[in-house]
Amino acid sequence: QKEVEQNSGPLSVPEGAIASLNCTYSDRGSQSFFWYRQYSGKSPELIMSIYSNGDKEDGRFTAQLNKASQYVSLLIRDSQPSDSATYLCAVKIGPRNTDKLIFGTGTRLQVFP
Amino acid sequence: DADVTQTPRNRITKTGKRIMLECSQTKGHDRMYWYRQDPGLGLRLIYYSFDVKDINKGEISDGYSVSRQAQAKFSLSLESAIPNQTALYFCATSGGRDDRGFFGPGTRLTVL
Repeated sequence: QKEVEQNSGPLSVPEGAIASLNCTYSDRGSQSFFWYRQYSGKSPELIMSIYSNGDKEDGRFTAQLNKASQYVSLLIRDSQPSDSATYLCAVKIGPRNTDKLIFGTGTRLQVFP
Repeated sequence: DADVTQTPRNRITKTGKRIMLECSQTKGHDRMYWYRQDPGLGLRLIYYSFDVKDINKGEISDGYSVSRQAQAKFSLSLESAIPNQTALYFCATSGGRDDRGFFGPGTRLTVL
């Protein structure tokens, strides 16, 4: 089992719709979770971080965390063509002082006009 | 100036050559990471370091070595490059109260 798993997509949504991206992780002790956006050939940039169960909203983005189900998701409201990118889920895995940042394979999102 | 820099940005080399990729950061972070990215495989961790004296292997360390010369510098070496090491390589840092990863611009390496 991979430590962090994502559906590779592509996920295609029309402009204005809600895009829903999902991620599961294997380490029950994980405490830190991140969503990155990556445009082709560019470096990943952080969109959201979440540490507690529930929802965290920032503009059009909402991160959701359910530690019992080992599940984290990202919702993008009012999707725009400029949101078309690969979205990477990342989890800090391992004991707190020696944890490492592990990424899923990423989900490619396509927003069409 | 960028917080995390990588040199070179692009490199083409031949099979069997030794090559070093360098990463420097001005963020003052204690943790540094090297990842490689291949199409469809996401970011895979090669090595990570918590400080100058603490180096750890990641998921795919075979064929690679690293050196943490200072808190701000973390180098990745390919002792004898092979074609399947052709990839996009990223350096990242984290630390302090904000534990998210900050990425460098990447190095595109091609091994012929």
